[in-house]
Amino acid sequence: QQQVKQSPQSLIVQKGGISIINCAYENTAFDYFPWYQQFPGKGPALLIAIRPDVSEKKEGRFTISFNKSAKQFSLHIMDSQPGDSATYFCAAVSSGNTPLVFGKGTRLSVIA
Amino acid sequence: NAGVTQTPKFQVLKTGQSMTLQCAQDMNHEYMSWYRQDPGMGLRLIHYSVGAGITDQGEVPNGYNVSRSTTEDFPLRLLSAAPSQTSVYFCASSDYGRQGADGYGYTFGSGTRLTVV
Repeated sequence: QQQVKQSPQSLIVQKGGISIINCAYENTAFDYFPWYQQFPGKGPALLIAIRPDVSEKKEGRFTISFNKSAKQFSLHIMDSQPGDSATYFCAAVSSGNTPLVFGKGTRLSVIA
Repeated sequence: NAGVTQTPKFQVLKTGQSMTLQCAQDMNHEYMSWYRQDPGMGLRLIHYSVGAGITDQGEVPNGYNVSRSTTEDFPLRLLSAAPSQTSVYFCASSDYGRQGADGYGYTFGSGTRLTVV
């Protein structure tokens, strides 16, 4: 059973547009929701994260929106740039020594 | 530079051979884990450790062995390599909550690309 479902699998966005990646979870014990960015040939790197006590977190052009009642969270990339082209993973974890659970990833291509 | 170091970066094995993928971190993180990444499958957890001397299985542990004798090192052993183990392997570590709100953030190594023929 996949604990974190991520969509879409791939996404093509025009330069300057908004990229939106969605994730849904089932386990209500999850209390930390990070997003990772991975460039080809590199390991994933923490991009931004949110806890369920807030509905939105913004860092530069990257925003996480969180809907606790719907058990959904999403990543918005404003003014998308070709340099944002990468694979993005959402993840979730509950407090304590339990592993992060990852979505299957979204390959984003930003075209000029 | 502080971080997670994985060696080797590339490896080709013959079916049935054994090898050890090395992972070391210098951030004094208690939590370490191994993932494999395959196209369309995302990151799948193989084994993890919450501290020296403590390991546990993840989603896909078969064919792999781990031990954690020190805080810094978490090697992954392939006992008898199979073509199904062709993948990119990532090691990650975390301070797991001690850093506050973002303490669960993982630091990943740059990966080992393994091909089994």
